[in-house]
Amino acid sequence: DQQVKQNSPSLSVQEGRISILNCDYTNSMFDYFLWYKKYPAEGPTFLISISSIKDKNEDGRFTVFLNKSAKHLSLHIVPSQPGDSAVYFCAARPNFGNEKLTFGTGTRLTIIP
Amino acid sequence: ETGVTQSPTHLIKTRGQQVTLRCSSQSGHNTVSWYQQALGQGPQFIFQYYREEENGRGNFPPRFSGLQFPNYSSELNVNALELDDSALYLCASSFPRQGVNTEAFFGQGTRLTVV
Repeated sequence: DQQVKQNSPSLSVQEGRISILNCDYTNSMFDYFLWYKKYPAEGPTFLISISSIKDKNEDGRFTVFLNKSAKHLSLHIVPSQPGDSAVYFCAARPNFGNEKLTFGTGTRLTIIP
Repeated sequence: ETGVTQSPTHLIKTRGQQVTLRCSSQSGHNTVSWYQQALGQGPQFIFQYYREEENGRGNFPPRFSGLQFPNYSSELNVNALELDDSALYLCASSFPRQGVNTEAFFGQGTRLTVV
């Protein structure tokens, strides 16, 4: 049972344009959501997070939107840069203290120069 | 401040053997979690250690076991290796605090191949 789903295995975006990565979840206990970025031969690197008390969190070029009623979140990267080419994982867990993360299967983002 | 380090980076074992993977947590972090990432999948939670005690376990058989040491470093042991155990094993450390959301920091992983 895949509780966190990333339905797009891959995405290609022109440099300078907006990249939108989507994630859906089914577990109502999830209250805290994170995006990780992974380059080949490296571990996942934390990118940005959002708590269920918010519907938007922004950090520089990265913005995460959360729609609790739809159990959907998205990561927007604008403008996209070649260094953003990586696999992006959406992860979720209950709020506070419980550090077990449930991950999606990832979306491979390729930025075309 | 040192990050999360894992050793070895790559390992090849034969089916039926036993393996030990090691993880040094980030300075100041008292919680270590282990994940298995199979090819084309997201990381799957194996178990977590908090102050040397197991603090949660995913859907993995008992032949997956672990330890956490007083310095908060950790080991993952897998007995009776199977071909399906071939994967990237990731260690993540964190410092959970009551009422505060914190993120986990990952090491670079150990690529285990079982032949």
